Amino acid sequence: AQSVAQPEDQVNVAEGNPLTVKCTYSVSGNPYLFWYVQYPNRGLQFLLKYITGDNLVKGSYGFEAEFNKSQTSFHLKKPSALVSDSALYFCAVREEWSNTGKLIFGQGTTLQVKP
Amino acid sequence: DTEVTQTPKHLVMGMTNKKSLKCEQHMGHRAMYWYKQKAKKPPELMFVYSYEKLSINESVPSRFSPECPNSSLLNLHLHALQPEDSALYLCASSQDLAGDPYNEQFFGPGTRLTVL
Repeated sequence: AQSVAQPEDQVNVAEGNPLTVKCTYSVSGNPYLFWYVQYPNRGLQFLLKYITGDNLVKGSYGFEAEFNKSQTSFHLKKPSALVSDSALYFCAVREEWSNTGKLIFGQGTTLQVKP
Repeated sequence: DTEVTQTPKHLVMGMTNKKSLKCEQHMGHRAMYWYKQKAKKPPELMFVYSYEKLSINESVPSRFSPECPNSSLLNLHLHALQPEDSALYLCASSQDLAGDPYNEQFFGPGTRLTVL
């Protein structure tokens, strides 16, 4: 069965420092991996996705994610955090060739960036 | 237009009321989704429509009734809800349900529902 784990409920970072939000996954076959961000009282916004190819994926707002097949991880990163990056982040996976459209979400990680 | 819109933004209803949530997209997407989200939790899939036909019902209670009148519009009719149904209801759309790797879901801002 597919699953996604985000081991940290909350990540605290000082503004200007690099940030990492962790995600590991379990799927049969090749994964399609996504990161979404949710600001308070808003819907989910798509940040980036891994399909195939380069293991370093660049996305919106300066975020990037590193795919590691051997570690089944897809960690979200940003070289220099902004206070405005504070939000709830979800990692999600969809199985290759899935025709249901179903996304499996991790439990979410709250990112707190302090000035 | 790369937006999914939802109305109303907020809804308060009693347990005997009937109300509806509305979702609209004009991206030409043929798959639309309803999710329920509790505070600080991941969205839970409720229903999936593909080409205006119900494709997935995740064992949702019958007090929630989805409807897809056309390819751009998705409704969720609510009747006899319980206080535990209070949540953020999110709508999403994608090109279709195919295993296309570029088929990401676009989410609306949600309707905050409170059941008294």
